[in-house]
Amino acid sequence: DADVTQTPRNRITKTGKRIMLECSQTKGHDRMYWYRQDPGLGLRLIYYSFDVKDINKGEISDGYSVSRQAQAKFSLSLESAIPNQTALYFCATSKAGSWKETQYFGPGTRLLVL
Amino acid sequence: GESVGLHLPTLSVQEGDNSIINCAYSNSASDYFIWYKQESGKGPQFIIDIRSNMDKRQGQRVTVLLNKTVKHLSLQIAATQPGDSAVYFCAENSPPGGNTGKLIFGQGTTLQVKP
Repeated sequence: DADVTQTPRNRITKTGKRIMLECSQTKGHDRMYWYRQDPGLGLRLIYYSFDVKDINKGEISDGYSVSRQAQAKFSLSLESAIPNQTALYFCATSKAGSWKETQYFGPGTRLLVL
Repeated sequence: GESVGLHLPTLSVQEGDNSIINCAYSNSASDYFIWYKQESGKGPQFIIDIRSNMDKRQGQRVTVLLNKTVKHLSLQIAATQPGDSAVYFCAENSPPGGNTGKLIFGQGTTLQVKP
C-alpha cells in the first residue's frame, strides 16, 4: 500500500552496528506500529504509538527503540544489531476512534545482520 | 493465554475450486477479527473483517465465517485463482473491546493454487 512507505526496503549490516528503519504514512492515521516477521512465527509486535507523545512496548521490544517524530513518521532503531534480529520488519497504521482497528501495512524492510 | 492459530500451514487447491482456510482462537471475549493476505515480497493486505456480533460476512469472492461456540474463524475463497496464491493470516483484537489497536496474529497458512 503506497500510503505506508518504508525505507530502506533491504538492508545488510554487521553485528554491533546501529541502524534505523523508517516509516512514513499519508493515511492521516494517528496510530502506528512496528512488527517483526520470522518464518513460521507470524507477525510479532515490537512497539506501537497512539500519538506523537505516546510510545508503548510490544511483546518483543528488547534490543529495539522507536521514535515518533511526527504523526506521519515512526522510526525503529536497533541500537546494536545482532544476527537474531535478521527478519522482515513491517510498519503499520490504524485510525483510532473506531471499533474497527484495521491496520494497514507498509511493504516491509528485509534486514540481514551478519 | 491468548493465541490465534491456523489449522494448516499449507493448503493446495486446484484453480477454480473453492478454498477454505481455518483459524482457531482461544479468547472467547475476542470481538473483532481480520483476515490478511500476504503475497511474496509484500506487506499484509487487508481482505475482510468481522465483528463478534456477526456469524458471516461476505466480500468479493471471499466470505468469513465466525463460530463463537467453538472459537473458530474461517475464510472461504470462491473460484480460487492463481492470484490468490499467498500466505493468509487471521488476527484478533487484543484486548477485546478495549480499542487499543493491538492485534494478535496467527502464524499463517500458505495457499498454493495449482493450474
